[in-house]
Amino acid sequence: DAGVTQSPTHLIKTRGQQVTLRCSPKSGHDTVSWYQQALGQGPQFIFQYYEEEERQRGNFPDRFSGHQFPNYSSELNVNALLLGDSALYLCASSLASGQPQHFGDGTRLSIL
Amino acid sequence: AQSVSQHNHHVILSEAASLELGCNYSYGGTVNLFWYVQYPGQHLQLLLKYFSGDPLVKGIKGFEAEFIKSKFSFNLRKPSVQWSDTAEYFCAVSPTGGYQKVTFGTGTKLQVIP
Repeated sequence: DAGVTQSPTHLIKTRGQQVTLRCSPKSGHDTVSWYQQALGQGPQFIFQYYEEEERQRGNFPDRFSGHQFPNYSSELNVNALLLGDSALYLCASSLASGQPQHFGDGTRLSIL
Repeated sequence: AQSVSQHNHHVILSEAASLELGCNYSYGGTVNLFWYVQYPGQHLQLLLKYFSGDPLVKGIKGFEAEFIKSKFSFNLRKPSVQWSDTAEYFCAVSPTGGYQKVTFGTGTKLQVIP
């Protein structure tokens, strides 16, 4: 039973570039959430997708956008990258909102 | 909006010592509460959860947590820690109903000394 898989594991970008991170949820899960975890901090909620729609959003600018596909997989896009976007980006899936989440290993994004 | 406070940032214990990690949340309505653990080199995983009912919940590996509604607290406990409990522990809260976001605390790093 595959858990949550994220790709790539590590990415290096420069300021102003755009990045796309990918996530495949745990088998049977239909809800995907994305988090940003800065060093020494807890995960910060970016947004949640269910039925291919953004259902909830945290305090992140419009530069952060996402998408969910019919097979429940999801992408996180970040435009106009800033140095402060350097962080670990976590994807979590669950069977419905509010249920316990299963996390992936994350994508470490470094902005130079 | 909800918030979560974990007051202990770094805890060092000897094996067999008892553990209690504090978690307080702020929210005006009913909530679901979670403790997640991240072992070194591994992803976050659920330790235990509270949705409703008995406020004392038991999780994996001998951990338990008690929801005290009047204190807005959900402290994590373990009577006797092991070296393998060395990890980072995160408390999280989510309002009940509908599409809700989960808010995490800043985490507590637990180091257990053999």
